[in-house]
Amino acid sequence: DAGITQSPRYKITETGRQVTLMCHQTWSHSYMFWYRQDLGHGLRLIYYSAAADITDKGEVPDGYVVSRSKTENFPLTLESATRSQTSVYFCASSVPGRRTDTQYFGPGTRLTVL
Amino acid sequence: GNSVTQMEGPVTLSEEAFLTINCTYTATGYPSLFWYVQYPGEGLQLLLKATKADDKGSNKGFEATYRKETTSFHLEKGSVQVSDSAVYFCALLTGANSKLTFGKGITLSVRP
Repeated sequence: DAGITQSPRYKITETGRQVTLMCHQTWSHSYMFWYRQDLGHGLRLIYYSAAADITDKGEVPDGYVVSRSKTENFPLTLESATRSQTSVYFCASSVPGRRTDTQYFGPGTRLTVL
Repeated sequence: GNSVTQMEGPVTLSEEAFLTINCTYTATGYPSLFWYVQYPGEGLQLLLKATKADDKGSNKGFEATYRKETTSFHLEKGSVQVSDSAVYFCALLTGANSKLTFGKGITLSVRP
């Protein structure tokens, strides 16, 4: 049972480059989420997806793009990376629409933008 | 809008000490409440949850009671261990879209 995986685990890039962070889940959960974690801010939602081909903005979507052509994958792209996007990024998934639903998190990707 | 407020950290305790981490919330409707834990170098994982007023969630010796009258969901443990050192997040869920609202998290360090 692989669960939810993220790749790469660590990434260093330069300002202005495009970067894609991958997220894959094996449970066929409908909902998937991208968060960033920064000191003093906790977790902030970037984008989420209710199903394949359905995505919506979260709290801090600027500078990010997502797609979801398959239920199991939810890549996050930084189109032109900036230093302020240095962060730890977490992907999560959950079953839909139930008050007790639990989000399951991946191990995270630590991104550094120089 | 929805929000979660956690007490300021970090918190440092000696092993076997009593732990309380405060969490209060503001929400429309009737939220479900969660505590997530993040061990060093890992993603978050669910610690416990409660879905209605007066429910008590419990797991691994941790407990939290959903208090609607005080809009609180404080986390407690009677005797902490070094292995409990982690970051703890309080969160709430309203509606059907599975979106969680998180507090800022608090770091707990337990000394041997």
